Amino acid sequence: GAVVSQHPSWVICKSGTSVKIECRSLDFQATTMFWYRQFPKQSLMLMATSNEGSKATYEQGVEKDKFLINHASLTLSTLTVTSAHPEDSSFYICSASRDWVGGQPQHFGDGTRLSIL
Amino acid sequence: ILNVEQSPQSLHVQEGDSTNFTCSFPSSNFYALHWYRWETAKSPEALFVMTLNGDEKKKGRISATLNTKEGYSYLYIKGSQPEDSATYLCAYPNSGGSNYKLTFGKGTLLTVNP
Repeated sequence: GAVVSQHPSWVICKSGTSVKIECRSLDFQATTMFWYRQFPKQSLMLMATSNEGSKATYEQGVEKDKFLINHASLTLSTLTVTSAHPEDSSFYICSASRDWVGGQPQHFGDGTRLSIL
Repeated sequence: ILNVEQSPQSLHVQEGDSTNFTCSFPSSNFYALHWYRWETAKSPEALFVMTLNGDEKKKGRISATLNTKEGYSYLYIKGSQPEDSATYLCAYPNSGGSNYKLTFGKGTLLTVNP
């Protein structure tokens, strides 16, 4: 199997708070981890790609100082939404892959619903 | 920007019906095509990664075909069951290289009525 755990599932917090979301591959080593955001009635939009021990690669339009990604090990990546505001409210989901070229499937966490008041 | 299109956007079928839907993608510099199933309140589940033109893959009652020359893939579900109700997503990786990324279609929402 290939299990990815994502926590927390739900976060409700006040504007200005920083929120950390964890993504762990439980039974395999993930060469690459991905962070997506989904807006209502839209598809999954890639925010950034990260490899263990190196800086994340952010997609165009994604503020790297706003969305801090740390990939500390082959099984753990974190996304920190810094000084969150209501417009950051969204569904965030991570995935992990055994390869870095797209020949292997991505394995997804359950996602995090973030609501900023 | 890669264009990955899925049709139809949504589909309602009766239990026992067979159904299929389409994913179209750029046919140049093809590397792979991914299919995922995303049930409500669960995480997306990988169904297939297809790489060879003409390939057909099967998982239970679900199968997929691939035409890389014309840039489309079909997903078939035989004898649909209510538990097949989900959004089916296809995704296309950029051409193989470091730090690949998947471009997802908007999905086909399948509802199977008992």
